[in-house]
Amino acid sequence: TQLLEQSPQFLSIQEGENLTVYCNSSSVFSSLQWYRQEPGEGPVLLVTVVTGGEVKKLKRLTFQFGDARKDSSLHITAAQTGDTGLYLCAEHANAGGTSYGKLTFGQGTILTVHP
Amino acid sequence: ETGVTQTPRHLVMGMTNKKSLKCEQHLGHNAMYWYKQSAKKPLELMFVYSLEERVENNSVPSRFSPECPNSSHLFLHLHTLQPEDSALYLCASSRITSGGRNTGELFFGEGSRLTVL
Repeated sequence: TQLLEQSPQFLSIQEGENLTVYCNSSSVFSSLQWYRQEPGEGPVLLVTVVTGGEVKKLKRLTFQFGDARKDSSLHITAAQTGDTGLYLCAEHANAGGTSYGKLTFGQGTILTVHP
Repeated sequence: ETGVTQTPRHLVMGMTNKKSLKCEQHLGHNAMYWYKQSAKKPLELMFVYSLEERVENNSVPSRFSPECPNSSHLFLHLHTLQPEDSALYLCASSRITSGGRNTGELFFGEGSRLTVL
């Protein structure tokens, strides 16, 4: 089973600051997903990256997939209090055409944005 | 509004009780999942149902018993639980695309917070 390492584990910043969180593995990802989980809620999918070197943007969020597909980062510009939550990366283990998805999750980064 | 609804949102039970968690998805998906989320641990996959057939059981103790009567509903029956089973139980669904492939992108419910006394 692939182990996903996320860093940092905790991040506490002021509104308006920029931040980056990371997701790393010793193995190659087939594809990688990022989720955000707000307190008391379930995780919500933010993005899926598939191709090495890929960059995707979602408003103030920028997602990068490493060229070797062994790491990914999430950069937030001008953080807002609404960005507070647990950020999870997950690898889709069954990308080879099986009938269901099977995700392995990292332990997450807990982000707190203070007003 | 979430397309995946879980009930109850909170459950407190004794070790000798029998209870069930319910999940319903309104997204037309045909794969459903139970995940366990404990403090300081990554989400753990428990069970997967694909086209109403159980295809994954990740060494889950028999005191947890899943049931999938149709593609929209998923249950987790709980019996003789232990205090260490206290956690957030998350249901998720996903879509199987043509050719039997799955995008792997999960849609989660809000979870059922379980406390075992």
